[in-house]
Amino acid sequence: EAQVTQNPRYLITVTGKKLTVTCSQNMNHEYMSWYRQDPGLGLRQIYYSMNVEVTDKGDVPEGYKVSRKEKRNFPLILESPSPNQTSLYFCASSPGLATGPDTQYFGPGTRLTVL
Amino acid sequence: AQSVTQLDSHVSVSEGTPVLLRCNYSSSYSPSLFWYVQHPNKGLQLLLKYTSAATLVKGINGFEAEFKKSETSFHLTKPSAHMSDAAEYFCVVSGISSYKLIFGSGTRLLVRP
Repeated sequence: EAQVTQNPRYLITVTGKKLTVTCSQNMNHEYMSWYRQDPGLGLRQIYYSMNVEVTDKGDVPEGYKVSRKEKRNFPLILESPSPNQTSLYFCASSPGLATGPDTQYFGPGTRLTVL
Repeated sequence: AQSVTQLDSHVSVSEGTPVLLRCNYSSSYSPSLFWYVQHPNKGLQLLLKYTSAATLVKGINGFEAEFKKSETSFHLTKPSAHMSDAAEYFCVVSGISSYKLIFGSGTRLLVRP
């Protein structure tokens, strides 16, 4: 089954404790992206990646890091989480560059609480 | 810059009555527009997309949307609401970088029995 998976689905942590949220897709998509969803704000893009080893900042990159060492995985790293990073996080992927703006396939979300 | 405004944060309809979710966009070029749906505790699912072909776009589950350039609108409609349509709906415009999606703030649809 074609899908985007995220782990963990739920995470409660404390301020300053480094964490990683994993994202994996099995559709051989070139493009992957991370969003955060906050009430009344819709989804805002954190980082995106056009291909392996190619990443760029979205609208709200502060406090986050990403890496794209292989095509299927795009982990989101919070080096020193803070309470304002409490949010619902979504990973998404999309087919290759030649197709233009296209459907993005979303993972099920990771609900993060930082105390 | 591209932006999208969803005019209603909440819409409540009775089952079997029409649904109208309003969306206005701003774009300096011909945009691609999408509607996504998010059911409670689920990820987002694409309902439909407009990419400069026919202005009336049909999506899944009986939804459709009409692109009106003169009104810069992309409203989502459905002739008859079903209880399973209760969800949050996001209007989305593609950014100047083709893969950047800009989301509206969402409209929560409530369907009354």
